[in-house]
Amino acid sequence: KQEVTQIPAALSVPEGENLVLNCSFTDSAIYNLQWFRQDPGKGLTSLLLIQSSQREQTSGRLNASLDKSSGRSTLYIAASQPGDSATYLCAVLMIKAAGNKLTFGGGTRVLVKP
Amino acid sequence: EAQVTQNPRYLITVTGKKLTVTCSQNMNHEYMSWYRQDPGLGLRQIYYSMNVEVTDKGDVPEGYKVSRKEKRNFPLILESPSPNQTSLYFCASSSGEVSYEQYFGPGTRLTVT
Repeated sequence: KQEVTQIPAALSVPEGENLVLNCSFTDSAIYNLQWFRQDPGKGLTSLLLIQSSQREQTSGRLNASLDKSSGRSTLYIAASQPGDSATYLCAVLMIKAAGNKLTFGGGTRVLVKP
Repeated sequence: EAQVTQNPRYLITVTGKKLTVTCSQNMNHEYMSWYRQDPGLGLRQIYYSMNVEVTDKGDVPEGYKVSRKEKRNFPLILESPSPNQTSLYFCASSSGEVSYEQYFGPGTRLTVT
């Protein structure tokens, strides 16, 4: 059974610092890995998606890396801003006979202090 | 606009009163799924579907039913809701091509008293 872990569970940094968020998974037979942002009580916003054949993806200040063999992904957010405060979730996708199986990590709650 | 919609967004109901949460997507996606989110437990998959009439259980299917009679719709049915089904529910869809990127609905907050 796939298990996804995100450490730390919470993170507080001063504005301007770079953020490093970790995600690990136990079964390397993934199709892709997706990073999401969730504001309190709100839905999930997709940030980056990395296919299993890729090593990294970048979008603006965000960069995500993937090491499938070691079961790890890292999300880097450069020059953090108070607006980056949110919970960040990673999810790995496995393809099964009847459809997708998406497994989420527990999330990292980020606070960026002005 | 490409989107996944859910209705209702908020619902307070009583134990045992059957309810349905609707989910609809306008992207012609083959794959759809339901999740619940609970504090300390994260997001867990309830059911998923590859296409019309093809569904399978996720991690926490007990107490729920689904149907996929049309490609765009994937309703979640609680035949006899109980207080432990109080949660935040999300519907998601993805295409069956290349990326399988997941698109999530805005969520339905359900309270069962």
